[in-house]
Amino acid sequence: GDSVTQMEGPVTLSEEAFLTINCTYTATGYPSLFWYVQYPGEGLQLLLKATKADDKGSNKGFEATYRKETTSFHLEKGSVQVSDSAVYFCALVPIGGGADGLTFGKGTHLIIQP
Amino acid sequence: DTAVSQTPKYLVTQMGNDKSIKCEQNLGHDTMYWYKQDSKKFLKIMFSYNNKELIINETVPNRFSPKSPDKAHLNLHINSLELGDSAVYFCASSPAIGTRPGYTFGSGTRLTVV
Repeated sequence: GDSVTQMEGPVTLSEEAFLTINCTYTATGYPSLFWYVQYPGEGLQLLLKATKADDKGSNKGFEATYRKETTSFHLEKGSVQVSDSAVYFCALVPIGGGADGLTFGKGTHLIIQP
Repeated sequence: DTAVSQTPKYLVTQMGNDKSIKCEQNLGHDTMYWYKQDSKKFLKIMFSYNNKELIINETVPNRFSPKSPDKAHLNLHINSLELGDSAVYFCASSPAIGTRPGYTFGSGTRLTVV
């Protein structure tokens, strides 16, 4: 079945550091890919998404590029802030989407220190 | 106006009790879901409803039963609660199958069984 693998956390960085959170996937065909963020005590918020190969999703300074050849969707940010501390989830939905629901990775806890 | 709203936000109950969690979406989406997030933050889909028909049931115990009175509501009933049911439960919705996938999550219900 479909699966998503994320780097294990927690990831601890200093403010203004460069961030990369790795995500690779296994799926049939060309799934849509997502990054969700969960701030402490809150629900899931869509951070960015990409629906076809070579698409780049971006939001709030975060970027991720859909790489079909490496089946990856790594999340990057050039300069992190303390407010970026959260749990980040990579997810996919199979081609056709809709009712199949999201398959999530296990989440990466990001801690940004001042 | 909250797009996907869940009630209650917190629920503490004793083992053996029966409880319900309500979910409503005002986005006009066709499909609704329930996800369970365990203590390690892992998210797994429990149910999916499309036009009031159950289309996914991911080996969830039959003590859990989704009820959808209409397209905008998907409630979760849990009978004979067990300690292992303690988790955060998220409701979500998405538009029609075949459209560009997009998922909106509620803020979650933290269930604690004592």
